Amino acid sequence: DGGITQSPKYLFRKEGQNVTLSCEQNLNHDAMYWYRQDPGQGLRLIYYSQIVNDFQKGDIAEGYSVSREKKESFPLTVTSAQKNPTAFYLCASSRGNNEQFFGPGTRLTVL
Amino acid sequence: SQKIEQNSEALNIQEGKTATLTCNYTNYSPAYLQWYRQDPGRGPVFLLLIRENEKEKRKERLKVTFDTTLKQSLFHITASQPADSATYLCALDENTGTASKLTFGTGTRLQVTL
Repeated sequence: DGGITQSPKYLFRKEGQNVTLSCEQNLNHDAMYWYRQDPGQGLRLIYYSQIVNDFQKGDIAEGYSVSREKKESFPLTVTSAQKNPTAFYLCASSRGNNEQFFGPGTRLTVL
Repeated sequence: SQKIEQNSEALNIQEGKTATLTCNYTNYSPAYLQWYRQDPGRGPVFLLLIRENEKEKRKERLKVTFDTTLKQSLFHITASQPADSATYLCALDENTGTASKLTFGTGTRLQVTL
């Protein structure tokens, strides 16, 4: 089955630690995206990538980093510089500027 | 400043009725607009996409309209069912490049009762 997967589903982090969230897709999509969702708010774009080895900052990139070494994979690192990292993180992919396919999400909690 | 507004209060309707959800935007020139459904604790699921030169799009019981003069999109679910209960998100994209850079509204929660 084609789809997009994220792991882990739940992640707990101590303050000052970096953590990496995984996102993999087998839809052969060129574009991939990372969003953050807070309670009662819409999705906010963190980073996106249109092609391998290239990515652009979204609206709230500070404190986050990404890489795109393979077409299938777009991992997100939440660094210690992110002041309020507790949130629901969603990864998505698309073929060009068409509809986006979302993963199941990772819920990150800072202890 | 740019803003996308969706009804922040939940919309409660009776089964069988038509649900109408509103998405208003200011200071955007979207190339197209998308609607997604999101269930609690899950990722959004794409429903419909409408381009700036299209007035209306339909898919089964769903219909979306797009009025670039009023800066508004309406999303209709006809013959609504309890299974339609979810949060519905609208999203705009001003980019006509090779990726969609979507800006999402906060969503409207729809509750369909028997």
